[in-house]
Amino acid sequence: AQSVAQPEDQVNVAEGNPLTVKCTYSVSGNPYLFWYVQYPNRGLQFLLKYITGDNLVKGSYGFEAEFNKSQTSFHLKKPSALVSDSALYFCAVGVTGKLIFGQGTTLQVKP
Amino acid sequence: DTGVSQDPRHKITKRGQNVTFRCDPISEHNRLYWYRQTLGQGPEFLTYFQNEAQLEKSRLLSDRFSAERPKGSFSTLEIQRTEQGDSAMYLCASSPRYRGGGDEQFFGPGTRLTVL
Repeated sequence: AQSVAQPEDQVNVAEGNPLTVKCTYSVSGNPYLFWYVQYPNRGLQFLLKYITGDNLVKGSYGFEAEFNKSQTSFHLKKPSALVSDSALYFCAVGVTGKLIFGQGTTLQVKP
Repeated sequence: DTGVSQDPRHKITKRGQNVTFRCDPISEHNRLYWYRQTLGQGPEFLTYFQNEAQLEKSRLLSDRFSAERPKGSFSTLEIQRTEQGDSAMYLCASSPRYRGGGDEQFFGPGTRLTVL
């Protein structure tokens, strides 16, 4: 069965430090992988996706994600965190068009 | 604003009542999706349409749930005989023509349903 796991419920990081939000997946065939962010009282916003090609994918707001096929991971990264990055982050895998989401990771960036 | 819109944003109803939600996708998108999100969880897929055809329904979508997209534009999701377990955020998303699963979906703000 296709699935996505986000092993951390919450990640805390100081402003200016690098951040990583972890995601692992289980799919048959080539994966289509996505990261979305959800701010309070707002809809999900697309950050970036991996379809094929370079393992390092760049997205919105300075975020990037590294696809690792051998470890079946797709971790979200940012070199320097901002307080405004504090939000709920979801990893997802595309399966026949629909998205299967992980349970989400809350990112707290402290000044 | 040319994004996905949903109406209403909030709905409070009593157990046993019927409710209907509406979603207006981005105009040129021919795929429309419904998801349900409960507190502390990621969104769960319910159903999706390509134009007016409903192509897939999740097992989560019990017989009390029905979705339509009659003219391939807006969609409605109806829940009959609501139960307290139906309380959740109902999210709608749309995407352009299907190109093999790699299309990002654009989400609306959601409809929050509370069943008393």
